[in-house]
Amino acid sequence: DSGVTQTPKHLITATGQRVTLRCSPRSGDLSVYWYQQSLDQGLQFLIQYYNGEERAKGNILERFSAQQFPDLHSELNLSSLELGDSALYFCASSASGRVDEQFFGPGTRLTVL
Amino acid sequence: AQSVTQLGSHVSVSEGALVLLRCNYSSSVPPYLFWYVQYPNQGLQLLLKYTTGATLVKGINGFEAEFKKSETSFHLTKPSAHMSDAAEYFCAVSDSGTYKYIFGTGTRLKVLA
Repeated sequence: DSGVTQTPKHLITATGQRVTLRCSPRSGDLSVYWYQQSLDQGLQFLIQYYNGEERAKGNILERFSAQQFPDLHSELNLSSLELGDSALYFCASSASGRVDEQFFGPGTRLTVL
Repeated sequence: AQSVTQLGSHVSVSEGALVLLRCNYSSSVPPYLFWYVQYPNQGLQLLLKYTTGATLVKGINGFEAEFKKSETSFHLTKPSAHMSDAAEYFCAVSDSGTYKYIFGTGTRLKVLA
């Protein structure tokens, strides 16, 4: 158990819908990272937050957005969902904003029908 | 730009045999290198990391990796495979100037009885 929690574990929805994925980092960790894992794209970095502020952006679509709240939990919002958005979404956390060991949550499996 | 290449998307070894998973990286600055393991339906777990210092890095579960700058490689080895090592392994690169990992496409290790 990494100490990072993600909810829900599974999510099934339809095209065009909007969903919110939630992540709670390890106690004391200030950085949260979001990744997408799909068969065709592999494991791709989406976005990082550090202590409430966006720190780095990767291959995140404009339909996707994220935020980190004062209690340091983070949410990833996916809207206007397409079939190709079906993937595993991982959250990871680390103690600082520097390159450091990242601790991964168990993931949320999103299926878009 | 940084990149990671993992040679061999699938590797099979016999139980007790040497495990060798290959990772080559590209980076214009001194890299930080990581190996993560992903068991079925789970998140990623750090096996080992190289940041600076000793180029031979020992990790958990008997794995080790050697950073070879001249070969831009960071191959993962284990002297004797165990059935419980069957999983997917990811190599990742980062550096002190960024905050994100670039992951390789992964190598699925199968251990034969």
